[in-house]
Amino acid sequence: DAGVTQSPTHLIKTRGQQVTLRCSPKSGHDTVSWYQQALGQGPQFIFQYYEEEERQRGNFPDRFSGHQFPNYSSELNVNALLLGDSALYLCASRGDRGRSYEQYFGPGTRLTVT
Amino acid sequence: QKEVEQDPGPLSVPEGAIVSLNCTYSNSAFQYFMWYRQYSRKGPELLMYTYSSGNKEDGRFTAQVDKSSKYISLFIRDSQPSDSATYLCAMSAKYNQGGKLIFGQGTELSVKP
Repeated sequence: DAGVTQSPTHLIKTRGQQVTLRCSPKSGHDTVSWYQQALGQGPQFIFQYYEEEERQRGNFPDRFSGHQFPNYSSELNVNALLLGDSALYLCASRGDRGRSYEQYFGPGTRLTVT
Repeated sequence: QKEVEQDPGPLSVPEGAIVSLNCTYSNSAFQYFMWYRQYSRKGPELLMYTYSSGNKEDGRFTAQVDKSSKYISLFIRDSQPSDSATYLCAMSAKYNQGGKLIFGQGTELSVKP
């Protein structure tokens, strides 16, 4: 049973550029959340997608946007990159059968903005 | 003030010790409490999940929730060098319907052989 997968593993971008990160949820899961984890900090919630719609959003600017596809996979897009966007971006998935409050994380994409 | 406070450590213990990790929180709406383990440069791994107050045990790990004090703990018995990692507490309010998790800063644990 494949867990949550993310691509790419690492990414280096320059200020002002745009980036797209990808996530495939754990088998049987239909809800995907994205988190940003700065070095030495806990993850911070960006947003959550369910049924191809953004359901909840954290305190992040509109430069952060996302999408969910019919197969439940998801993309995170960040426009006009800033140095402060350098972080580990984590995707988490959960399902609505039974233990729906447990979220499972992928390995993350490490984004460096220079 | 952060919604969830966690001592970042680092915490260093000898192999076999009992480890106690703690978080405090301010939002009384939190109902779901989780502990994640994160190895260096990896994603968080779900260790324990507890709903409301009480204790939950799984092998060498015990999670405790005291909602009256807004305080949660994770105990690790017979700690092993492989337990060396950062431990993150996370919480969610019922009105968020299992969505938004609020994390602590994480406690870095080192278990010395």
